[in-house]
Amino acid sequence: SYVLTQPPSVSVAPGKTARITCGGNNIGSKSVHWYQQKPGQAPVLVIYYDSDRPSGIPERFSGSNSGNTATLTISRVEAGDEADYYCQVWDSSSDHAVFGGGTKLTVL
Amino acid sequence: QVQLQESGPGLVKPSETLSLTCTVSGGSISSYYWSWIRQPPGKGLEWIGYIYYSGSTNYNPSLKSRVTISVDTSKNQFSLKLSSVTAADTAVYYCARGELIVATTPALWFDPWGQGTLVTVSS
Repeated sequence: SYVLTQPPSVSVAPGKTARITCGGNNIGSKSVHWYQQKPGQAPVLVIYYDSDRPSGIPERFSGSNSGNTATLTISRVEAGDEADYYCQVWDSSSDHAVFGGGTKLTVL
Repeated sequence: QVQLQESGPGLVKPSETLSLTCTVSGGSISSYYWSWIRQPPGKGLEWIGYIYYSGSTNYNPSLKSRVTISVDTSKNQFSLKLSSVTAADTAVYYCARGELIVATTPALWFDPWGQGTLVTVSS
């Protein structure tokens, strides 16, 4: 089945830019969605369809997807952005949803 | 806006059936792909399956033999049954609304999610 690979952790200083990657075979041919999960809370959709933001999500959150890597970019990182981030795709070959293993974002 | 709330027993014995219900408020259950997703303690997310409001279902192949998802449109609820549970099924179970776009490549994402409910499998 389709595998999504994320780095276990990413660290960034406040005010800087964080980039969280999601690797998969020819992932650029799929639509990638991103979720933010803070401790003890349910995941929240922050990017869908590679680069679209749901209403209420700050413009600091953006996404891109090409080749074998999708990227979630968080600009001007704030302490409140510290969370686990998961990428997700629909694998049409097996007809089911697949999540990446998650990346813990630490704000230094 | 649409809100989802899971309910059901927090403790299930090994070999028994886990049963959870998700109640949808603030909107109709008609349309969308109503999904169950779980997260073992300290681990990542695993999609269990979805049901369309018409009743058609799709399950994760790794769980397919043990999973049944059903819908009750009159109550705006959908439910999960997972049979023959073991300790490996201990997890926080989330219900979520799935939105599917069928274009050149199908895309399905989940928004919003319920708050989640912890189900522990133990004797």
